[in-house]
Amino acid sequence: QVQLVESGGGVVQPGRSLRLSCAASGFSFISYPMHWVRQAPGKGLEWAALISYDGNKKYYADSVKGRFTISKDNSKKALYLEMNNLRAEDTAVYFCARSYCSGGSCNFDYGMDVWGQGTTVAVSS
Amino acid sequence: QSVLTQPPSASGTPGQRVTISCSGSSSNIGSNYVYWYQQLPGTAPKLLIYRSNQRPSAVPDRFSGSKSGTSASLAISGLRSEDEADYYCATWDDSLSSPWVFGGGTKVTVL
Repeated sequence: QVQLVESGGGVVQPGRSLRLSCAASGFSFISYPMHWVRQAPGKGLEWAALISYDGNKKYYADSVKGRFTISKDNSKKALYLEMNNLRAEDTAVYFCARSYCSGGSCNFDYGMDVWGQGTTVAVSS
Repeated sequence: QSVLTQPPSASGTPGQRVTISCSGSSSNIGSNYVYWYQQLPGTAPKLLIYRSNQRPSAVPDRFSGSKSGTSASLAISGLRSEDEADYYCATWDDSLSSPWVFGGGTKVTVL
């Protein structure tokens, strides 16, 4: 079955770095754009980043631009989020999500259809 | 403050119909599809409605979506206790450098 499993979360001090991973299975990972979405404790969903199926085009939320980097390794069926210069406000559960595709078309303005269970990042001194 | 505006809460008794609104602008809802997600307590979001009014096969037909102009709605008919959850709308915004936006979420309570 289609599955996304995140890993790499943990407790980190402000200003430090962390890399999240998302392992995909059950679908043709190479064909899909992928997202990272986060949720601060007790708050709503916040979109963080999007990468094209081939990794050549990337979009970021203003709140993470210049600090976070999304990447995709199609040979390993893995999605990554490199997070640098972490701040307290980056504390959240981070979900990876697959982009919805229809009839072989996977536009950036198509939403997320499959989500992982999330990995927790806590930024604290 | 979210680009998309949802009421923070909604409620109903079992069997009732509940509607959740999502208000945006011409650059987001007005020109793009809307997606709705259900998040049960302590779990990951689940796709409920795609392309504004399409329902994945596994989602009960009690859930329906609609869009008109710069607003969208999610309706839950025949409300059940297991529908108690947070609901989020989301869409692409043509004018923003951060193109994907979510509503603030609506907590649905079954009385």
